[in-house]
Amino acid sequence: ETGVTQSPTHLIKTRGQQVTLRCSSQSGHNTVSWYQQALGQGPQFIFQYYREEENGRGNFPPRFSGLQFPNYSSELNVNALELDDSALYLCASSLGLAGGETQYFGPGTRLLVL
Amino acid sequence: QKEVEQNSGPLSVPEGAIASLNCTYSDRGSQSFFWYRQYSGKSPELIMFIYSNGDKEDGRFTAQLNKASQYVSLLIRDSQPSDSATYLCAVNIPNTGNQFYFGTGTSLTVIP
Repeated sequence: ETGVTQSPTHLIKTRGQQVTLRCSSQSGHNTVSWYQQALGQGPQFIFQYYREEENGRGNFPPRFSGLQFPNYSSELNVNALELDDSALYLCASSLGLAGGETQYFGPGTRLLVL
Repeated sequence: QKEVEQNSGPLSVPEGAIASLNCTYSDRGSQSFFWYRQYSGKSPELIMFIYSNGDKEDGRFTAQLNKASQYVSLLIRDSQPSDSATYLCAVNIPNTGNQFYFGTGTSLTVIP
């Protein structure tokens, strides 16, 4: 167990809807990264938050947005859901921005868009 | 060229054999390299990390890094059926704080 929690574990939505996924980081960790993992693929970086500020974004459209709260928990919001958004969404927590800090993953949220 | 490349496999080895997993990366500025194991339907879990050229051993696992050739490998000695999983190579993205690129993973099956 990494101490990183995510909710919900599973979610079914329809095209065009909006979804909010939540992540609580490991105790003491101030950095949260979000990834999308499609079936048979590796995790793709969505964005990273450090001390409530976005610290970089991958190749994802603006309808993917996020927040980090003062307790370092985080949310991932996806608007106007598309079928291709169906994937496992992973959050990973780490300590700081020094390159090479290990990222510890939560159990993930499996999203199905119909 | 992808930032991180791995053979997708599947790789099959008999129980007790050595499994060798390979990963190449494109950005010479990358300094930190990680191996994660992912069981089907689960999230990735860290096996080990390596920062310096050479070998790093942790139990049955050995990570090998060659920055000049831009590859990192993972050896699993005395492979067990419980090692059957997908192994993900992750590389930090230089000058981004702590952002990672992941490979697509190599599927390993250990045959009893």
